[in-house]
Amino acid sequence: DIQMTQSPSSLSASVGDRVTITCRASQSINRFLNWYQQKPGKAPKLLIYAASSLHSGVPSRFSGSGSGTDFTLTISSLQPEDSATYYCQQSYSTPSFGQGTKLEIK
Amino acid sequence: EVQLVESGGGLVQPGGSLRLSCAASGFTFSSYWMHWVRQAPGKGLVWVSRINSDGSSISYADSVRGRFTISRDNARNTLYLQMSSLRAEDTAVYYCARDSGYCGGDCYNSWGQGTLVTVSS
Repeated sequence: DIQMTQSPSSLSASVGDRVTITCRASQSINRFLNWYQQKPGKAPKLLIYAASSLHSGVPSRFSGSGSGTDFTLTISSLQPEDSATYYCQQSYSTPSFGQGTKLEIK
Repeated sequence: EVQLVESGGGLVQPGGSLRLSCAASGFTFSSYWMHWVRQAPGKGLVWVSRINSDGSSISYADSVRGRFTISRDNARNTLYLQMSSLRAEDTAVYYCARDSGYCGGDCYNSWGQGTLVTVSS
């Protein structure tokens, strides 16, 4: 099974900051990497698929990059509504998720 | 509008059984792969099972294989998860999710609101 490791596990940032979350796969997954946002009590929402493709309706301040084993999710200018937990998920083989990164707004 | 509505969760004793349902609307259900993903209280997301569009291809996570059965009724636009031999560690919110069909692998562009399964004596 492919293990997904996110860092950091949590972070706090200010409105307007540039924020980067990292996801590392235990083996190469090409670009089969997706990102989700989950707010408390709600279902996850797809943000980015295939490492860098923006899902429909997702603000352009969200972007993804990477290939192989190392990937990043970047929020270019943090907004209050971006407070959430973010998960990466590999779709190269049997699906698996990272442990999540909780993002708080200072 | 795509809608996925789960039902069937509740409190069950260890060793018991439960069947979850996910009613789909707003899209051609029979054209999409469907998945179950769960989330234990305060924990992360864990993929559970998937079924292809006509039910001929099914996969399970190791943790539930042999105990859970995924199925679908395309005439009723409904996805199911039959859970048996339930354990405390199966306690979670169970989400049904629709595969996007465009990620090149499994990714989920629509989710239900989730149904809570609690396994406890």
